[in-house]
Amino acid sequence: DAGITQSPRHKVTETGTPVTLRCHQTENHRYMYWYRQDPGHGLRLIHYSYGVKDTDKGEVSDGYSVSRSKTEDFLLTLESATSSQTSVYFCAIRENMNTEAFFGQGTRLTVV
Amino acid sequence: DAKTTQPPSMDCAEGRAANLPCNHSTISGNEYVYWYRQIHSQGPQYIIHGLKNNETNEMASLIITEDRKSSTLILPHATLRDTAVYYCIVDTTGTASKLTFGTGTRLQVTL
Repeated sequence: DAGITQSPRHKVTETGTPVTLRCHQTENHRYMYWYRQDPGHGLRLIHYSYGVKDTDKGEVSDGYSVSRSKTEDFLLTLESATSSQTSVYFCAIRENMNTEAFFGQGTRLTVV
Repeated sequence: DAKTTQPPSMDCAEGRAANLPCNHSTISGNEYVYWYRQIHSQGPQYIIHGLKNNETNEMASLIITEDRKSSTLILPHATLRDTAVYYCIVDTTGTASKLTFGTGTRLQVTL
């Protein structure tokens, strides 16, 4: 299995609090992605990174920010969590374009 | 990135071939076709990808039409463990490789 770890795996937080999810990889892959998945929906891209300090927005980036200060870590931050951000969050890594992506096990976030 | 269209659901009898279609009529010359699947609430799993030639690996075969506007994923002998949501994705080869998922096809394999 690809070396990709998401933390925490489960989190319950209150509305208005900041939350940071971490994606850690041991594969030295260039690309990293954050997705969210809600019931009955496919995965929707939040942000992605194509290198250290190189990030770009996906289709549902409002309310989220990311940082990638080193190759192995890609952080997703909810500055002020809202109930609409209750979801399962998946991280993915990819060595390069034209290669397969490997996904983490997901983080279930509940905002109450 | 080009959009993809897949049927929302399909059924297949165990042991039979499952043929999952995908339409990507706006695909560009530098875009690959990828297939992933997601079993229950696990992270998606890569299956196969290709540019214009047919591809085969230990999991499946990918047939891409000559005009590249559609493709078919073939699971040669479906088992109950192949029950999953299957996603067809078209992705650019450029730096902005977003790997955008659609809604996929829910494949139900039955006895």
